[in-house]
Amino acid sequence: SAVISQKPSRDICQRGTSLTIQCQVDSQVTMMFWYRQQPGQSLTLIATANQGSEATYESGFVIDKFPISRPNLTFSTLTVSNLSPEDSSIYLCSVVPGDQETQYFGPGTRLLVL
Amino acid sequence: GENVEQHPSTLSVQEGDSAVIKCTYSDSASNYFPWYKQELGKRPQLIIDIRSNVGEKKDQRIAVTLNKTAKHFSLHITETQPEDSAVYFCAASILNDYKLSFGAGTTVTVRA
Repeated sequence: SAVISQKPSRDICQRGTSLTIQCQVDSQVTMMFWYRQQPGQSLTLIATANQGSEATYESGFVIDKFPISRPNLTFSTLTVSNLSPEDSSIYLCSVVPGDQETQYFGPGTRLLVL
Repeated sequence: GENVEQHPSTLSVQEGDSAVIKCTYSDSASNYFPWYKQELGKRPQLIIDIRSNVGEKKDQRIAVTLNKTAKHFSLHITETQPEDSAVYFCAASILNDYKLSFGAGTTVTVRA
């Protein structure tokens, strides 16, 4: 498996501001994803973080609201822009190590927007 | 896109009894079905997965069955223990695509 860390682990933000979440993996991985888990809900895929190119977004998620960077095979950031209380969620990155088919999740970033 | 339905939403069992969670999927192209366990405040952890080329897979007290024709798969936990209490999510994807579509989750409570 891969060791995945996320920063920050939690944050409280004011509406209208932005939060950037970092995801770091201890080994190079081919696939990295970002998911959202709203309070008491399931996980929803936001986008695939593509190394060296623009992220691929799922229906209902747009780059202006959720810009993603992936400068290399071990790191990615997700920014949640122009925050509103509806953005209060847990944001998780996930990875698929190159020699496996299993998807592993980071510890998540708990965001509260006031 | 893929739609995964999961039932029941909550499940309470006596310690030592079995628990069964069922999921259905809509996209016949899906061929990878993992199950995740999420304890309160923790990340989802993979507990078992199955690919469409097999009908059943077991790992100690946990088993998963898959019916491709009916497009449903189930998680079976035998001899439940208090530490099995958690939220369980089923998911589906196309192998090598890796984009997981999750069910709504089942909160399992094991009564001592």
